[in-house]
Formats: sequence, C-alpha cells, structure tokens
Amino acid sequence: QKEVEQNSGPLSVPEGAIASLNCTYSDRGSQSFFWYRQYSGKSPELIMFIYSNGDKEDGRFTAQLNKASQYVSLLIRDSQPSDSATYLCAVTLFSGYSTLTFGKGTMLLVSP
Amino acid sequence: DTAVSQTPKYLVTQMGNDKSIKCEQNLGHDTMYWYKQDSKKFLKIMFSYNNKELIINETVPNRFSPKSPDKAHLNLHINSLELGDSAVYFCASSQDTGEQFFGPGTRLTVL
Repeated sequence: QKEVEQNSGPLSVPEGAIASLNCTYSDRGSQSFFWYRQYSGKSPELIMFIYSNGDKEDGRFTAQLNKASQYVSLLIRDSQPSDSATYLCAVTLFSGYSTLTFGKGTMLLVSP
Repeated sequence: DTAVSQTPKYLVTQMGNDKSIKCEQNLGHDTMYWYKQDSKKFLKIMFSYNNKELIINETVPNRFSPKSPDKAHLNLHINSLELGDSAVYFCASSQDTGEQFFGPGTRLTVL
C-alpha cells in the first residue's frame, strides 16, 4: 500500500519567515515527487517537482529530496500571506501515466 | 486559454439520479485522469486513460463509468447517485514528464 504522510497543520509562520513543509513516503520505488498548492475552493496547482536526490530551487521555493530516508520537503523563503494555502505532496513510481499518490496536505498560514 | 476545463462547475442532484461530468484539455497531453477530493480534502485517483484507453481503474464502484471519445476528452458518468458521492471531482492531464495539470473541479452535492 503506497502511502504519503504529511502533517496536516496548520503551520503558522510570520510574513518574511521560512516555511518548511515535510512529507514522507512508504514506497521505496517512488521515482518522481511533486508539490502542489491548493487554495481553498480551487484546484491543485503544480509548484515544484524533483526526481533526484538533493535540492532544487525555483524562485522562493526549494524542494529537497532524500530517497534513502524517503523524505521530501518544500521550503518557502520570504513567506507571504498569499502563500497561505494547503500544500499537497505527491509521489509516483515513474513518469508518464503512473498515478500520483497524494498526501492529505499541510495547511500553511502566513500572518502579516 | 483554459488548459483543462470541466463542466459543470457545480452539480446538485437527488439520490438515485444519473449525472455526467465532462472534461476537456487543450494541452495535447496523452493521459487524462479523474480524482475525487472528499470533505477532508483527501485527493484520490479514480481512473486514468492514455490515448483513449483505460489504464488505471482504482477501487471505484461500477456506478462510475468513464468514457474517452478522444484523447482530449474524458467524461465521467455516475449512475444511481448516493450521498457518499458528494465531493469535488477533478480532471487532470499529463504528458511524459508525469506532471499533472488539474481542471477547476466539479462540486457534486447529492441530496
């Protein structure tokens, strides 16, 4: 049974701080890892994806992957109130049409 | 331009009715999906089609029947609706990289 675990939160950070969102997965064969952001009442929106161990940076966002520990994280630097949303971690066995297994999401609240 | 679109956005209906949700993508992707997001916000795969062929069918009641007339469209028909079917249904599409792009969702309420 493939599982993806996230702390449901809410994770509260002040504006300008670094928000750290964590995710663990059970299937050691997982190859691709995605972070989606979902605002209330909206659809999930892809923020980052990472395939290799290490860090991947895109603007204020950094995804970190450690396959040995089966752990993936998302760092948001200089957090803004507009970053307040639920962040969904998703993993898949391989690219193409392998299904995504989602975590239940972590709610992030950034206070002004 | 809308990449993945769904209709209707809201659907309110009585138990026992039959309803359909339509999805279209203009991204040229080969693979399309249906997800269900329940009241606890848990997003779960239901079906996946690749080039009009069903490739993934998770444990979903057979009251749910997907249909893909072409690779840009994936519709979901639901027979004999039940209270527990109330949820938000998302369509998504992807290409080789596996990144999935979601439609705006259809909020289904069964009374």
